[in-house]
Amino acid sequence: GAVVSQHPSWVICKSGTSVKIECRSLDFQATTMFWYRQFPKQSLMLMATSNEGSKATYEQGVEKDKFLINHASLTLSTLTVTSAHPEDSSFYICSASSGSGDTQYFGPGTRLTVL
Amino acid sequence: AQSVTQLDSHVSVSEGTPVLLRCNYSSSYSPSLFWYVQHPNKGLQLLLKYTSAATLVKGINGFEAEFKKSETSFHLTKPSAHMSDAAEYFCVVSGSKFYFGSGTKLNVKP
Repeated sequence: GAVVSQHPSWVICKSGTSVKIECRSLDFQATTMFWYRQFPKQSLMLMATSNEGSKATYEQGVEKDKFLINHASLTLSTLTVTSAHPEDSSFYICSASSGSGDTQYFGPGTRLTVL
Repeated sequence: AQSVTQLDSHVSVSEGTPVLLRCNYSSSYSPSLFWYVQHPNKGLQLLLKYTSAATLVKGINGFEAEFKKSETSFHLTKPSAHMSDAAEYFCVVSGSKFYFGSGTKLNVKP
């Protein structure tokens, strides 16, 4: 149980375009979802926390107008990288939990490359 | 405030020998602690979780961790390493969000 999927697993886009990444909890209801960014050989950096039906809470330094997060249902959250630039290239990982502080189950990650 | 320190950035062991990955934590209250494993270009997989029940926690793939409050430690061990254990391991303390350690890369030599 506790499976989280992400789609796509990798994406290449041109500078200035927008990219949407989906995160789904397949076998449980995720009241809280998290979006992380991971740079090569580094730990995960929390970008934002989203609760179903509420606006996402962004970490300091993360531009909410650039990284749009929607958590419309208990099984789906999306991250849209708007007007992507090469510096946005990274590994994006989502996680889902039944509540803040509870165990987080992670998706397989999405590799974004912006040309 | 919560924080996590993983004491070794790299650990190298031979196949069949014991594994010890060290983690110290700081928490202002009784914490929930986790170990996750990440294989290259993959997400994180939960190995085990401590939530104030038994201090010795058994996880998947033969891993276990012992919570020692007096030492504020939560070290991960495995009696016998397997080649498939080679990966990055993260120690996490939970508060309002997850606080990650910097990771320990485990190399297993044949």
